[in-house]
Amino acid sequence: GAGVSQSPSNKVTEKGKDVELRCDPISGHTALYWYRQRLGQGLEFLIYFQGNSAPDKSGLPSDRFSAERTGESVSTLTIQRTQQEDSAVYLCASSSRGLAEKTQYFGPGTRLLVL
Amino acid sequence: KQEVTQIPAALSVPEGENLVLNCSFTDSAIYNLQWFRQDPGKGLTSLLLIQSSQREQTSGRLNASLDKSSGRSTLYIAASQPGDSATYLCAVSFDRGSTLWRLYFGRGTQLTVWP
Repeated sequence: GAGVSQSPSNKVTEKGKDVELRCDPISGHTALYWYRQRLGQGLEFLIYFQGNSAPDKSGLPSDRFSAERTGESVSTLTIQRTQQEDSAVYLCASSSRGLAEKTQYFGPGTRLLVL
Repeated sequence: KQEVTQIPAALSVPEGENLVLNCSFTDSAIYNLQWFRQDPGKGLTSLLLIQSSQREQTSGRLNASLDKSSGRSTLYIAASQPGDSATYLCAVSFDRGSTLWRLYFGRGTQLTVWP
């Protein structure tokens, strides 16, 4: 596609439920990033995928959060047993390589509201 | 700890004014610095990227400067227009170890330009 796409665009769930967020990166981009943006806060790094290397999960806030990526394509971020503090916009980005020189292209985000 | 701070948090100006957005960072060992624009309901768009060896970058009415020694960057917007209304985010890649790809974001400056 022309850009990074994410689905769903909005998600409302009840506390305790599991949710899955999807990211489709730009075709050919080997690097993929997940961020979280809570209201009034800056973007927080969650996880980074680069090609077939082991992902950098150092930003995941708890073991309720996990992410997968199949090859160099779609990624899924899963939040288990959601809590109200998980409410945020979840942004995905991709770049042609995992280098700082390479601009990260962001998707529109998924707005998650946990009631 | 790498921290990025942006001031002001919000700015409202009449059309035509020249304005300056500020970004400061706690660690002078940066790899590069980027300014992004975020529109409501949309992802981030990269505006300018300054490498650590550069002092400034220009794109149209935008000019970004970098002073590593003082830990500061400014984004200058000339002749502001209502279409410039958005949240502007500063993001820094720090030159520490092997995580040059990791961006640290400020909380942003919400700009409103009124006709």
